[in-house]
Amino acid sequence: QVQLVESGGGVVQPGRSLRLSCAASGFTFNSYAMHWVRQAPGKGLEWVAIIWYDGSSEYYRDSVKGRFTISRDNDKNNLYLQMNSLRVEDTAVYYCAKNLRAYGDYTGPFEYWGQGTLVTVSS
Amino acid sequence: DIQLTQSPSFLSASVGDRVTITCRASQGIRSYLAWYQQKPGKAPRLLISAASTLQSGVPSRFSGGGSGTDFTLTISSLQPEDFATYYCQQVKSYPLTFGGGTKVEIK
Repeated sequence: QVQLVESGGGVVQPGRSLRLSCAASGFTFNSYAMHWVRQAPGKGLEWVAIIWYDGSSEYYRDSVKGRFTISRDNDKNNLYLQMNSLRVEDTAVYYCAKNLRAYGDYTGPFEYWGQGTLVTVSS
Repeated sequence: DIQLTQSPSFLSASVGDRVTITCRASQGIRSYLAWYQQKPGKAPRLLISAASTLQSGVPSRFSGGGSGTDFTLTISSLQPEDFATYYCQQVKSYPLTFGGGTKVEIK
């Protein structure tokens, strides 16, 4: 069965960095685009970034562009989110999510989600 | 960016009720719309893709409709396990965006 397990969350001061990981199993990881989605406490869902199945392209929401970097290791079936210059407003549960369709589909929706990892940015 | 407006934001209903949630897009998105269910402390679950395609394992009491700018999610007979928050999402263009959510609570 498909499993997505995030890790790397925690409490960090504004301006610092954090790297999230997502370990994938149960599907052919290198065939699917992958996403990061976040949810601030008590708030709605917010898409963060996508990386194509082969890592050849990435897209970000404007508020994280230039600060966050999505990457993947298709040999290890891992997805990453490097978060730099963190702000208080980045505080959220971060989910990794698998694209519904393989290869040339790059906009979702998201068929499977991890359990999420909480990032708290606070001084 | 494509904005999605869900209504109502809160809905109180009884078991067995027919419930309809609407989602309006700020511009036409054809059928590039999905619906998710989220329960407290859990990740969202994909219910419907392409506006009306029920995902495998999702009960047939759920149905989706619409195209262009106006969409609906209908639960034909609300069950106890359906009390949750529902989100629509447009998958037409980046940034991918979600509606604000509709919380369905027990009357």
